[in-house]
Amino acid sequence: AQTVTQSQPEMSVQEAETVTLSCTYDTSESNYYLFWYKQPPSRQMILVIRQEAYKQQNATENRFSVNFQKAAKSFSLKISDSQLGDTAMYFCALGYNQGGKLIFGQGTELSVKP
Amino acid sequence: KAGVTQTPRYLIKTRGQQVTLSCSPISGHRSVSWYQQTPGQGLQFLFEYFSETQRNKGNFPGRFSGRQFSNSRSEMNVSTLELGDSALYLCASSLAGTGGINEQFFGPGTRLTVL
Repeated sequence: AQTVTQSQPEMSVQEAETVTLSCTYDTSESNYYLFWYKQPPSRQMILVIRQEAYKQQNATENRFSVNFQKAAKSFSLKISDSQLGDTAMYFCALGYNQGGKLIFGQGTELSVKP
Repeated sequence: KAGVTQTPRYLIKTRGQQVTLSCSPISGHRSVSWYQQTPGQGLQFLFEYFSETQRNKGNFPGRFSGRQFSNSRSEMNVSTLELGDSALYLCASSLAGTGGINEQFFGPGTRLTVL
């Protein structure tokens, strides 16, 4: 079975602090990709960061970084120096080569407070 | 480059009617995927079209169908609408075709309300 689980429905963080969003997944494939998408109140889905499963090095994009633990099938997102504009729903997603199917987690609603 | 566009942005229909939603992918993208987003079920994959052929399909009834045109634009159709079809329908496009990372770019969505 291919599943993605986000165990934190809601999280809150103070501006400028660091927050970590959790994600676990299950797949029997050896070649896959993992993504974090952000969906602000405007509902526009935006790609935050991506990770190729064959790469051991954790991906980083400015204030966003991941902790990819392949054996544990864990893929957490760390947001440093949180900003008010980071307030959004965050989705973890699993994808594969040659295929437009993404499997999404249930999402974590993040609120950044001033 | 223009992003993914979806029309219409909002729709109100009544039970039993049918509806057609449209998606124009980013120029050069040949893969178009459709997702249904609801508060209860979250984001669920409907189907994917690549080069005018359905390449992947999710677990939705046959009332949900789609197609892709030679210019990669895609439409999805829902027939005999039910109240539970009320949702945000998202379209995403990608270059995915010959392998490699399948990075999808999403449109703003079509909000469908069934009364």
